[in-house]
Amino acid sequence: DAKTTQPTSMDCAEGRAANLPCNHSTISGNEYVYWYRQIHSQGPQYIIHGLKNNETNEMASLIITEDRKSSTLILPHATLRDTAVYYCIVRAKTSYDKVIFGPGTSLSVIP
Amino acid sequence: EAQVTQNPRYLITVTGKKLTVTCSQNMNHEYMSWYRQDPGLGLRQIYYSMNVEVTDKGDVPEGYKVSRKEKRNFPLILESPSPNQTSLYFCASSLTGQGSYEQYFGPGTRLTVT
Repeated sequence: DAKTTQPTSMDCAEGRAANLPCNHSTISGNEYVYWYRQIHSQGPQYIIHGLKNNETNEMASLIITEDRKSSTLILPHATLRDTAVYYCIVRAKTSYDKVIFGPGTSLSVIP
Repeated sequence: EAQVTQNPRYLITVTGKKLTVTCSQNMNHEYMSWYRQDPGLGLRQIYYSMNVEVTDKGDVPEGYKVSRKEKRNFPLILESPSPNQTSLYFCASSLTGQGSYEQYFGPGTRLTVT
């Protein structure tokens, strides 16, 4: 599975959109981009995933660039409860490899 | 409610005293996995199971055992716990082990071995 690069930390004002970037320049055509988050010491929580089209669900939006080398997770109206570590992961559709969680981005939502 | 449950949530034990951490999912998932999380080391996979009676080692299997006799349960066994197994443990499941399916994680078990 391709490797990802994320900023170590980010701040976001409460009520504003949080835009979390992820670089996956070596992604291959059959690899999905997944986002999970982990609120302090809780189990990681699945947020969203996509292949090439932008995706939106009740939690977030995922914007994948046309060349698929990077993506952005958007939390449209960040709240204090969105303070967490966010992990960007790529996995091949047919891969049985383990999910590799890198260090992620620590997002702090500030009142 | 679809969920992964773990028990106990917190455990303090002594070196050498066998213990089992249970994991159960109610989503009829084929794939289940155990991770440990330590400061600065992130989440590391201990063992995983593709289906009933099919288990395999992850990155850090030493000192752990697992079994998968039923689809819903995947207990983690520490035969002789040592202080270096003090950690936060997570169980996870997904429909299959393939990359097209998201994983669902349990709430975690904080284990302290003295």
